[in-house]
Amino acid sequence: EVQLVESGGGLVQPGGSLRLSCAASGFTFSDHYMDWVRQAPGKGLEWVGRTRNKANSYTTEYAASVKGRFIISRDESKNSLYLQMNSLKTEDTAVYYCVRTSSSSGHWHFDLWGRGTLVTVSS
Amino acid sequence: DIQMTQSPSSLSASVGDRVTITCRASQGISNYLAWFQQKPGKAPKSLIYAASSLQSGVPSKFSGSGSGTDFTLTISSLQPEDFATYYCQHYHSYPLTFGGGTKVEI
Repeated sequence: EVQLVESGGGLVQPGGSLRLSCAASGFTFSDHYMDWVRQAPGKGLEWVGRTRNKANSYTTEYAASVKGRFIISRDESKNSLYLQMNSLKTEDTAVYYCVRTSSSSGHWHFDLWGRGTLVTVSS
Repeated sequence: DIQMTQSPSSLSASVGDRVTITCRASQGISNYLAWFQQKPGKAPKSLIYAASSLQSGVPSKFSGSGSGTDFTLTISSLQPEDFATYYCQHYHSYPLTFGGGTKVEI
């Protein structure tokens, strides 16, 4: 079955760190860009960042709100995507979604979402 | 950053209605535009990319149009399962950004 399953969410204090994981299955992980998107409680969607595929050297992009604090990585041997979150702030509280990005005629677009994992930053 | 503005922010409709949602980009994005559906407590679902191309498995009652700065999502005949929040998103450049969402209610 083609799916993405996130894990690692939980309660963390401001200034703390947390590492999210996303297990991919049912498709060739290395072919795809992978993204993280978050959604604060009752709010809209916010793109967090991206890692490109092997063909594009696994380079990364980040939203300004997380750049320098969050790191996206991937392990092809485990078909897994990671989000290392450091120096967490209360405004990072959100459901974090792992998203597969696919290419069609030059369009790298989101096409598969995980169910999400909740991160709560609070003292 | 490119700002995405959706209108309306919410709308009331009935089963069988034709519904149109508008998304405007703060600068031209060609057709690098996607639409998503999200139901309460669920992950978003991808509906459309490249402004008008349906994702695999998405019913043809959904359609998208537009290019440049102005885009629309149309649901031809609203069904009970279509009541949800819809988001547009550009992927023309970084950072990728989403519209604020349109909640379609009964």
